[in-house]
Amino acid sequence: GAVVSQHPSWVICKSGTSVKIECRSLDFQATTMFWYRQFPKQSLMLMATSNEGSKATYEQGVEKDKFLINHASLTLSTLTVTSAHPEDSSFYICSATPSLNTGELFFGEGSRLTVL
Amino acid sequence: GQQVMQIPQYQHVQEGEDFTTYCNSSTTLSNIQWYKQRPGGHPVFLIQLVKSGEVKKQKRLTFQFGEAKKNSSLHITATQTTDVGTYFCAGGHTGTASKLTFGTGTRLQVTL
Repeated sequence: GAVVSQHPSWVICKSGTSVKIECRSLDFQATTMFWYRQFPKQSLMLMATSNEGSKATYEQGVEKDKFLINHASLTLSTLTVTSAHPEDSSFYICSATPSLNTGELFFGEGSRLTVL
Repeated sequence: GQQVMQIPQYQHVQEGEDFTTYCNSSTTLSNIQWYKQRPGGHPVFLIQLVKSGEVKKQKRLTFQFGEAKKNSSLHITATQTTDVGTYFCAGGHTGTASKLTFGTGTRLQVTL
């Protein structure tokens, strides 16, 4: 199957700093990638849809100035958590698909963010 | 908004017992997918169902899509310890096939 890689796997930062998470599709091109947030023992909540070459589409309740998404190439999307606070601590996962028609999603390994 | 609920939230079975998780959507779906997430891991795609009433099997796993395309189930026969994890259904809608709404998940624990 297709491979999606996420980096970093773990990150600890101080409150008020910004953190960038990268999501790469390694063996396919992805015009669209998805960013999710997952709290412990809970479901995946879609945060935004990242579109190559255009602005991301954010879900209701997600602050676009807080969670900056950039999708500058067909294989890379980045999520920057700006001015992070402890409540932003979570597991962030990206996903992508080689074909928007088939719908099967391939997920990155996830990035666990801890804000002190 | 769209809601996808799963029951039970958690189930603990002994190895060899069967297991079923049920998924219910508040809206009609164009397709439903199932994912498995191992503890500490990321979701891994299991299957996609598209047709009303569709039933698909993968070895010990049986997936069903309801006639009204609003519910689905995953049944595991004779569970094994390797089945441990959280099972999520995820519903898609026409025109947004890849933008999925994930269910609340069912965490399965299997002991010897």
